[in-house]
Amino acid sequence: AQTVTQSQPEMSVQEAETVTLSCTYDTSENNYYLFWYKQPPSRQMILVIRQEAYKQQNATENRFSVNFQKAAKSFSLKISDSQLGDTAMYFCAFMNVWGAQKLVFGQGTRLTINP
Amino acid sequence: EPEVTQTPSHQVTQMGQEVILRCVPISNHLYFYWYRQILGQKVEFLVSFYNNEISEKSEIFDDQFSVERPDGSNFTLKIRSTKLEDSAMYFCASRTGRGEKLFFGSGTQLSVL
Repeated sequence: AQTVTQSQPEMSVQEAETVTLSCTYDTSENNYYLFWYKQPPSRQMILVIRQEAYKQQNATENRFSVNFQKAAKSFSLKISDSQLGDTAMYFCAFMNVWGAQKLVFGQGTRLTINP
Repeated sequence: EPEVTQTPSHQVTQMGQEVILRCVPISNHLYFYWYRQILGQKVEFLVSFYNNEISEKSEIFDDQFSVERPDGSNFTLKIRSTKLEDSAMYFCASRTGRGEKLFFGSGTQLSVL
């Protein structure tokens, strides 16, 4: 079974700084999807960014980018020019391309952006 | 952007009671899911539903749980006899097709007393 590990329970940075959240995963599959979800205090699950494993190019969405290292099974999220609204829990998630395509989540990283 | 709608936002029940959590997925979506999140913990998969049947379920989804899509628009999760440990946020999610973006509802917080 696939597992996702986020080794940083909490992180804190100053507004406008850059922060990187770590995620590693374990799978024997060659093709799959990886995601970062943001969960603010409202507990809504918001998709931040998505990476398809067969694509070598790292995904970017405005201030959010990933560093996808397939061989190392690592999928980190970089937030540039952090803003107060980025304060949230961040979950890394894995999804197979076959089967029911359920999401397998990591334990989450609580990110606080300080003014 | 279209939304997945969940009702109620918060439900309180007594242990041993039956509860039904309701979801209205986005209208052209075909794949439906329930996830749960115990406070302070990660989000866990419960069940997936496609073509009017369960396609996969987790160990959490035991005989006390059932899902139904009774009328082609609603997607419900029923817990037959609630336990204290069922207290959690329950998220419904849906997507149009395989590999497409998964849309989450805003969740139902279930409190079992």
